Amino acid sequence: DVKVTQSSRYLVKRTGEKVFLECVQDMDHENMFWYRQDPGLGLRLIYFSYDVKMKEKGDIPEGYSVSREKKERFSLILESASTNQTSMYLCASSLYITEAFFGQGTRLTVV
Amino acid sequence: GENVEQHPSTLSVQEGDSAVIKCTYSDSASNYFPWYKQELGKRPQLIIDIRSNVGEKKDQRIAVTLNKTAKHFSLHITETQPEDSAVYFCAASKSSGSARQLTFGSGTQLTVLP
Repeated sequence: DVKVTQSSRYLVKRTGEKVFLECVQDMDHENMFWYRQDPGLGLRLIYFSYDVKMKEKGDIPEGYSVSREKKERFSLILESASTNQTSMYLCASSLYITEAFFGQGTRLTVV
Repeated sequence: GENVEQHPSTLSVQEGDSAVIKCTYSDSASNYFPWYKQELGKRPQLIIDIRSNVGEKKDQRIAVTLNKTAKHFSLHITETQPEDSAVYFCAASKSSGSARQLTFGSGTQLTVLP
């Protein structure tokens, strides 16, 4: 059974803080994704990665960066958190052209 | 990049009726089209997918159709049940070199009324 695990379910951070969201998958998937989910906007792609140290910008990369030092781990970094980054963040992983499996989500609140 | 539009944003049907959700995509290079269901408070999960070399796929009460020429695909749910109530997302996926991008629509809140 594929498992995608995000490090926190709920997170509260202050404006200007550097925030790290961690995601780990246990199925040796080469693709990993970070999305943010907001009501009425669906799942918007922030960044994705297809291999260790490889990353591609998605549709809304501004204010975010990512790191993939190991195949199983994909980190999302908010360099200086702002209130408009309050959202649900979902990580996902997949093999090449197959089903994407999602983590349970991290509800981030920036105050 | 790819743009996926999904309609309607909300849909209410009577139990036993059919529901149809439609999506269009912009990039003709997209070749994989999954549909995800997200129940309240849970993570999205795949319910059905279709590849660009297939026009239709069916799995019990759900089916997906794909029109590559028009760049649109649809989800059909027949004999709806209350447990079908959820948010449904369509997605389109394409390759960019070694990268595999997966772009989602904005979601449809389906409510099945008993």
